[in-house]
Amino acid sequence: DTGVSQDPRHKITKRGQNVTFRCDPISEHNRLYWYRQTLGQGPEFLTYFQNEAQLEKSRLLSNRFSAERPKGSFSTLEIQRTEQGDSAMYLCASSLTGVAGNTIYFGEGSWLTVV
Amino acid sequence: GNSVTQMEGPVTLSEEAFLTINCTYTATGYPSLFWYVQYPGEGLQLLLKATKADDKGSNKGFEATYRKETTSFHLEKGSVQVSDSAVYFCAPNYGGSQGNLIFGKGTKLSVKP
Repeated sequence: DTGVSQDPRHKITKRGQNVTFRCDPISEHNRLYWYRQTLGQGPEFLTYFQNEAQLEKSRLLSNRFSAERPKGSFSTLEIQRTEQGDSAMYLCASSLTGVAGNTIYFGEGSWLTVV
Repeated sequence: GNSVTQMEGPVTLSEEAFLTINCTYTATGYPSLFWYVQYPGEGLQLLLKATKADDKGSNKGFEATYRKETTSFHLEKGSVQVSDSAVYFCAPNYGGSQGNLIFGKGTKLSVKP
């Protein structure tokens, strides 16, 4: 059983460019989450999907951030017009359902450096 | 809103020492409780969990007991190893419409040989 996979693992981009991260959840999981983690901090929740429906997006950091999960399987997180403050690790996670007791499994993260 | 508080790090211990990392959560609702571990440069791995009061989660020698009366979920290990050096996160999940984990800053543990 493969875990949550994220691509790319590392991305260096120039300020103002757009970047996109991909996440492939555990295959039978219908919940998919995106978090951001900056150095020395815990993960910060951004958004989540149940199947293809994005049920919470008010925590996305600005309107430059958007996420999709078009067929209820993989998801993408796009950051437009990147800024240096966007440098962080972006974590994807998935779970079987939204029940509080279900374990949420994390991927290895995608590191973004904006120069 | 809901929150979690962990003891400030870093925590530095000698190998085979006893470890306690304190964690308390807000008492709103009845969350499930999780401990995750993060090794340098990696994502988060589930360490253990407990879903109801008085449950004890355990894994790899680590233990934590869900204490509803004190809203706590302290992590303990009787004898730490150098390989336990990592950042540890306590995270409640209150379920409901979001069902996402709430994280604090984490506690960095360094174990010296």
